[in-house]
Amino acid sequence: NAGVMQNPRHLVRRRGQEARLRCSPMKGHSHVYWYRQLPEEGLKFMVYLQKENIIDESGMPKERFSAEFPKEGPSILRIQQVVRGDSAAYFCASSLVTGRTNTEAFFGQGTRLTVV
Amino acid sequence: AQSVTQLGSHVSVSEGALVLLRCNYSSSVPPYLFWYVQYPNQGLQLLLKYTTGATLVKGINGFEAEFKKSETSFHLTKPSAHMSDAAEYFCAVTGAQKLVFGQGTRLTINP
Repeated sequence: NAGVMQNPRHLVRRRGQEARLRCSPMKGHSHVYWYRQLPEEGLKFMVYLQKENIIDESGMPKERFSAEFPKEGPSILRIQQVVRGDSAAYFCASSLVTGRTNTEAFFGQGTRLTVV
Repeated sequence: AQSVTQLGSHVSVSEGALVLLRCNYSSSVPPYLFWYVQYPNQGLQLLLKYTTGATLVKGINGFEAEFKKSETSFHLTKPSAHMSDAAEYFCAVTGAQKLVFGQGTRLTINP
């Protein structure tokens, strides 16, 4: 059973370009989180998705950022018109929800975005 | 709503000494609590978790944590530090939806 797969591992974009980060959850997991980690900082929650549904996007910047988790295929975090401040490690995690509560989340290796 | 506070962004101990990383949480519902470890340039790996039942939980690499409801704490300990324990440690809580993380504690081990 493969773990959470994120690609690419490293992504370099010029200012103004678009960045697309992909996350394939663990088999059987229907919930996906995205977190951002800036250098020397902790993990900041961005968005929490279930297939075809955004549950909580309270951590997403209002502009340029969007996320989706379609019925088929990976979850995508999309950053339009990237700026240098978007440079960070972006982590995806997936979990299995039973009842009202999540089990633990399993993390991917992250995508390190560098904006030049 | 849930939140987590990790006391001390950096902790330094000598090899062989006790490791104590502090975590306090708040939750409006009975919490599930987790400790994760992150090695440089890697993702997060689950160390241990508390859901229900025994309040002292044991994890990988000799770590353990105790859930104390009265103190709203879930501190992480290891009796004897090893050089390989140097990493970033994150406490997290979930009660009714998303997983919320603390700011992290960077553990340094001195030879």
